[in-house]
Amino acid sequence: AQSVAQPEDQVNVAEGNPLTVKCTYSVSGNPYLFWYVQYPNRGLQFLLKYITGDNLVKGSYGFEAEFNKSQTSFHLKKPSALVSDSALYFCVVRDNQAGTALIFGKGTTLSVSS
Amino acid sequence: EAGVAQSPRYKIIEKRQSVAFWCNPISGHATLYWYQQILGQGPKLLIQFQNNGVVDDSQLPKDRFSAERLKGVDSTLKIQPAKLEDSAVYLCASSLTTGLSKTNEQFFGPGTRLTVL
Repeated sequence: AQSVAQPEDQVNVAEGNPLTVKCTYSVSGNPYLFWYVQYPNRGLQFLLKYITGDNLVKGSYGFEAEFNKSQTSFHLKKPSALVSDSALYFCVVRDNQAGTALIFGKGTTLSVSS
Repeated sequence: EAGVAQSPRYKIIEKRQSVAFWCNPISGHATLYWYQQILGQGPKLLIQFQNNGVVDDSQLPKDRFSAERLKGVDSTLKIQPAKLEDSAVYLCASSLTTGLSKTNEQFFGPGTRLTVL
């Protein structure tokens, strides 16, 4: 069965510092991986996706993610954090068994302090 | 481009009452999804439609939940009767798929926050 794990409930980082939000996955077949962000009182927003190709994927708002097949990881990164990046981040895998639904991790709250 | 619309945004009901949520996807999007997001958890799929047909409803509690998308555009999710554990945010999403493509981005609505007392 497809699943994703986000080992950290919360990540704290100072503004201007690099940030990493960790994710590992378990899939059968080719992984289709995504990161979504959820701001308070706003809907889920797509950040980036990995389908195939270059292991470093660039997305919205300066975020990027590195796909590592040997470690089955898909960590989200940003070189310099902003206070406005504070939000709930979800690592997501596409369900390859039925339909095209998304399977979400439990989420990691990113808190960027000024 | 208009996003996914959902209503109501908030709903408070007592247990054993009924409730319905409405979703209007992005124009032209063939696939529509309903997710349930319980506080502190990631969203979980309830049902997926392709046009007006059901693709996956394996995680829908069919004894109390029902959903329809009769004309292949907007959709309604109903809970009857509601239980305390149904308190959650109900998210609707849509994607531009003409088949079972696995690469299309899903766009989410703002959600309906349901509180069951």
